Amino acid sequence: DAGITQSPRHKVTETGTPVTLRCHQTENHRYMYWYRQDPGHGLRLIHYSYGVKDTDKGEVSDGYSVSRSKTEDFLLTLESATSSQTSVYFCAISALGVSSYEQYFGPGTRLTVT
Amino acid sequence: DQQVKQNSPSLSVQEGRISILNCDYTNSMFDYFLWYKKYPAEGPTFLISISSIKDKNEDGRFTVFLNKSAKHLSLHIVPSQPGDSAVYFCAAVPEGNEKLTFGTGTRLTIIP
Repeated sequence: DAGITQSPRHKVTETGTPVTLRCHQTENHRYMYWYRQDPGHGLRLIHYSYGVKDTDKGEVSDGYSVSRSKTEDFLLTLESATSSQTSVYFCAISALGVSSYEQYFGPGTRLTVT
Repeated sequence: DQQVKQNSPSLSVQEGRISILNCDYTNSMFDYFLWYKKYPAEGPTFLISISSIKDKNEDGRFTVFLNKSAKHLSLHIVPSQPGDSAVYFCAAVPEGNEKLTFGTGTRLTIIP
């Protein structure tokens, strides 16, 4: 199994509060991603990183920010949580080699915004 | 605009029979396709992939078929086993791109 951990695994928070989710990898992979999974929508990309301090937006980035100060850590922040951000969040990593686009996922964080 | 579509939200198959999961895409730039399997309360795990230069890729009980002209791929599992019960996602990516586009998933239930 790829060495990816996510913390916390579960969180309940109130509307309007800030929340930070952490993804940690031990694989030294260059690319890291944050997705959310919702019924009927599959996995949707929020933000991704292609190196330390290098990040870009995905298809559902509004209301989220990210930071990557070290290769192994990728943080996802909800500046002011809303009920629509209740979801399961997955981090993924990729080495993105030639003809190899596999991403490897962490165990997920279940976030509930009340 | 859903560029990768899995039109069957669920599928039930008898144990030992063949399971066929389907996926359609609209973006002709997609060059590489992947299937992921997801159990409840776990992250998705990579299952099998195929490049657009091939029309078939096989790995044990799992075979992926690609029909580029129809923009269609399918995952065949034979024989189906109870442990195959999971949600399956297909994903696609253009060559050289770092972002996967996922379908909405198909929940496969294997009936003992």
